[in-house]
Parts: sequence; C-alpha cells; structure tokens
Amino acid sequence: KQEVTQIPAALSVPEGENLVLNCSFTDSAIYNLQWFRQDPGKGLTSLLLIQSSQREQTSGRLNASLDKSSGRSTLYIAASQPGDSATYLCAVLSSDSWGKLQFGAGTQVVVTP
Amino acid sequence: GAVVSQHPSRVICKSGTSVKIECRSLDFQATTMFWYRQFPKQSLMLMATSNEGSKATYEQGVEKDKFLINHASLTLSTLTVTSAHPEDSSFYICSARDASSSGNTIYFGEGSWLTVV
Repeated sequence: KQEVTQIPAALSVPEGENLVLNCSFTDSAIYNLQWFRQDPGKGLTSLLLIQSSQREQTSGRLNASLDKSSGRSTLYIAASQPGDSATYLCAVLSSDSWGKLQFGAGTQVVVTP
Repeated sequence: GAVVSQHPSRVICKSGTSVKIECRSLDFQATTMFWYRQFPKQSLMLMATSNEGSKATYEQGVEKDKFLINHASLTLSTLTVTSAHPEDSSFYICSARDASSSGNTIYFGEGSWLTVV
C-alpha cells in the first residue's frame, strides 16, 4: 500500500527566505505526483503536477522536483511571501489506483513579515 | 480548463437529519469520482470510489449505510450523510477523473464544510 510522508509537519520562515518542502512515497510505481495548497477553511488549489516521466515542473516562484526511484519530491518556493502561508499537501497517483490519490499529512507553512 | 463543482460549500444541519453533497464535472465526463474526508489538521482520507452506474467502493472503516453515494450520471455524484451526528462534522471533498485526458487528470471540487449541531 502506498504511503506518503511529508516533512516537516510545520515550518515558519521570515519573508524572503526560500521554502523547501519534502514529500516521500513508498511505492515508486506512480502515475504522477501533485502538489496542492490548502488555506484554512478552504478547498484545495492545485499547484504543480509532475508526470512520472518528468523530473521537475515550474510555475512562477514554484518548482517541484521528482525522483521516482528514490520515492521523493521536493517543492521549492522562492522568495517566500506572507501570502504563501498555507498548508501544502502532496498527493501521489499510483499506477494501479485508477484515480485514487494518496495524500501526505501536509506541511503547514507560516511566512512572517 | 476542466472544473469540478461541489455544492454546498458550507452546510449546517441538526443531529439526526440527512444532508446531501453534490459533485459535478462541468465540462468533461467522469466515469469515476472520489470522495475524501478531512478532519481538522489531518490529511485527506479517501472514503469511497464512485463509479457511474454501479455501486460505490468504500474504503475500510467507512460505513456504507451512513455515507450513501450515488453516481447516476457521467457528470454527477452525490454523497448523502444520513442520520448525521456531530462527529460527522468535517470537510468533504470530491474529485473526478477525466479519463479522456491523456494524463488521466484528476480534478478536485472546492470542498464542503459540514457542521452537525
């Protein structure tokens, strides 16, 4: 059974610092990996989707890497802003799951002004 | 882009009543939809897989008779929480699989906050 772990569980940084969020998964037979943002009391916002054949995806200040063989993905957020404060979730779509995503517990990020 | 609409976004109901949450795929057909639940400060846990025209597949520990799922059309799945109790208060979110996309993309609804009083 696929297990997804996110470290750290919480992170607080001053504005301007770069953020590094880690996600690991136990079964490398994945279809894709997705990073989401969740604000308190809100739903999910998809940030980046990395297909299993890709090594990384970039969108603005966000960059996500994927090392399938080692079961790891990292989300980098450059030059953090207070508006980046949220919970970040990674989710893995396993090859045999037909759409069932396995989520990590999330990393709660606070960016202080 | 594809959108999944979930309604209502927030609902408050009395203990013992039932409440229905709808999940619609707006511009694609979704033969498969998924229902997740999220307790405060915890991650999303899959409750069930909803298949159009057939019975839902429930994850271990999820009560089928309490969480009724109906997927009567290719664009609509509903989750009904029956005889709701305060412990059912949670965030419920659906996702839909666009099988026609090359990557089998999964789209999420915006979620529904249920409060049982």
